[in-house]
Amino acid sequence: DAGVTQSPTHLIKTRGQQVTLRCSPKSGHDTVSWYQQALGQGPQFIFQYYEEEERQRGNFPDRFSGHQFPNYSSELNVNALLLGDSALYLCASSSPGTSFTGELFFGEGSRLTVL
Amino acid sequence: SQQGEEDPQALSIQEGENATMNCSYKTSINNLQWYRQNSGRGLVHLILIRSNEREKHSGRLRVTLDTSKKSSSLLITASRAADTASYFCATDMDSNYQLIWGAGTKLIIKP
Repeated sequence: DAGVTQSPTHLIKTRGQQVTLRCSPKSGHDTVSWYQQALGQGPQFIFQYYEEEERQRGNFPDRFSGHQFPNYSSELNVNALLLGDSALYLCASSSPGTSFTGELFFGEGSRLTVL
Repeated sequence: SQQGEEDPQALSIQEGENATMNCSYKTSINNLQWYRQNSGRGLVHLILIRSNEREKHSGRLRVTLDTSKKSSSLLITASRAADTASYFCATDMDSNYQLIWGAGTKLIIKP
C-alpha cells in the first residue's frame, strides 16, 4: 500500500521563477493538505483540498495556489518565488470520514531552495 | 502564528532514560496530536488525544492533556537511539480545518 508520495524531492529555483510541486495521497484518501516548513520551525498550513476544491487556506499570499485532480492527487504552485520561499514543502493526506483535523499521513516532502 | 509551543526546544538524554516533552497552546481545542520528524523528512503521526481525554498510551508513549492549563506532555519511556528526532504537537482550533503546529522539541538519544 503506497503511502503519500511527493515529487520532486529537491529542486533549486531562482527568484521570480515559478514552481510546481506534486503529491499523490495515500491509497483511499481523499483530502490533501499542504504545509510549508522553514528550517528549524514547525509546519505552517498553506491550504487543504477536498473534492477538488480549496476548503481552507492559511495565511499565505495568492502567489501560492493549488489544485486537486479527480484521482485526488494535488499540485502546489508558487509564482514569483522569493528567497523566503525556501523551505520543505509537505503534503499530507487523510482518509474519508476523518475529522477535518484528524490524523494526517505525510509524504517525505519537497525541498525547495530559492537563490 | 503558532498555537502550540513545545518545551524544551532541545533535549539530550542517555539511551534507556525517559524523555518528557511539553506542549502549551492558547485557545480551546477539539484534539491535540503528537508527530515525530526524522532529520527534515516527513512527519509521522504518533498519537491523538481528544479534549475529553486526560491520558493516552501507545507502546512506550504516554500522552497527557490538561485542558485547564492548556498543556500536554509526551513521555517516551526506555528511550532508544532510534527515538532521536524532532517531536511536534499540533492542535486544531474550534471550527477550523487546519492544524496549528509548534516549533518542536529536538530529542537526541546518546548511546
